[in-house]
Amino acid sequence: NAGVTQTPKFRILKIGQSMTLQCTQDMNHNYMYWYRQDPGMGLKLIYYSVGAGITDKGEVPNGYNVSRSTTEDFPLRLELAAPSQTSVYFCASSYRDRVVPDTQYFGPGTRLTVL
Amino acid sequence: EDQVTQSPEALRLQEGESSSLNCSYTVSGLRGLFWYRQDPGKGPEFLFTLYSAGEEKEKERLKATLTKKESFLHITAPKPEDSATYLCAAPSGGYNKLIFGAGTRLAVHP
Repeated sequence: NAGVTQTPKFRILKIGQSMTLQCTQDMNHNYMYWYRQDPGMGLKLIYYSVGAGITDKGEVPNGYNVSRSTTEDFPLRLELAAPSQTSVYFCASSYRDRVVPDTQYFGPGTRLTVL
Repeated sequence: EDQVTQSPEALRLQEGESSSLNCSYTVSGLRGLFWYRQDPGKGPEFLFTLYSAGEEKEKERLKATLTKKESFLHITAPKPEDSATYLCAAPSGGYNKLIFGAGTRLAVHP
């Protein structure tokens, strides 16, 4: 099991460019999440998905879009990149809600710089 | 509004010097409390889940405890390899969504 994988590891964008951050999990998890982490701050939820074709906004969704066409993949799209989107992005996944909350497992992250 | 706060922001210890990290939370109907370890340039790595007040879990030199208002991560006789940022998180809003504290950066020096 590779777990949660993310590509690319690093990327530099110019203001106004667009890109897609890729995330794949091989644990057959129902739920997937995108977070951003800024220095000295906790992780902030951008978007999440509870299954193929179902996505919803998190705490900081502006400037981002997501789609989920398969159980395994959950790409994050940045349109018209802005310097405020400079951050480290983490993808995570978990099983569905059960009697108690299930653990989220994280990918290695993508470090994005917008200049 | 649900909130998770960690203290201290940073902690420097000598090898072998035990200490505790604090995670306080204001979450309606707490359904669990998660601890993660994050090394520089890596994603968070799951350590523990605590589900009810009074519960304790241990792993090597780490022990996590939970009360009705806060959780502690106790580090006994730490080693330099324990240096990392430790994050705590609480479920909020269903679908296993988590809100995270800002973390405690731990540095253990030989």
